[in-house]
Amino acid sequence: KNEVEQSPQNLTAQEGEFITINCSYSVGISALHWLQQHPGGGIVSLFMLSSGKKKHGRLIATINIQEKHSSLHITASHPRDSAVYICAVGEFGNEKLTFGTGTRLTIIP
Amino acid sequence: NAGVTQTPKFQVLKTGQSMTLQCAQDMNHNSMYWYRQDPGMGLRLIYYSASEGTTDKGEVPNGYNVSRLNKREFSLRLESAAPSQTSVYFCASFRDRGFGELFFGEGSRLTVL
Repeated sequence: KNEVEQSPQNLTAQEGEFITINCSYSVGISALHWLQQHPGGGIVSLFMLSSGKKKHGRLIATINIQEKHSSLHITASHPRDSAVYICAVGEFGNEKLTFGTGTRLTIIP
Repeated sequence: NAGVTQTPKFQVLKTGQSMTLQCAQDMNHNSMYWYRQDPGMGLRLIYYSASEGTTDKGEVPNGYNVSRLNKREFSLRLESAAPSQTSVYFCASFRDRGFGELFFGEGSRLTVL
């Protein structure tokens, strides 16, 4: 079974700071997902990665397949970015995803 | 609106009662999933359906049953609810075999007294 670890578990930063959230996994994967969950809210997909880097607005996701590691970066952070960010991985030939426990991000104005 | 719709959003049950959580997606996705989310734990898979007519157990299937009624709908049934099933339940769908964007329902908060 793939083990997915996220760090840090909690992160508090000032508005405008550059944010990095990390995700490591133990077994080779077919794809990695970054998800966002606002307090009391639903879960939305931010990125799906199988290699390289993707950018959407102020969000950037990277993955290093050899090192089994992915990072989610937020530039010019804003209080509305406050949420739990969840990493999930899928494996070849496996219908199931394995989820990390999430990183709770709080951006202070 | 395209997406995943699940009902009800909130439910309170007494121990031993039964209920069904409904989930429907209108994106013609093959794969559908039911997860539960508990404080301090990652999302855990209860059951999934890779295609219409097939269902398989996930990590925590005990106490639950599912039905893939058609390609759109995937329901989760609690036959005899227990306090340990107090949780937030999410339905999700993929286009195919875990690839592509994940879509989640808004969640169903279930409390079993």
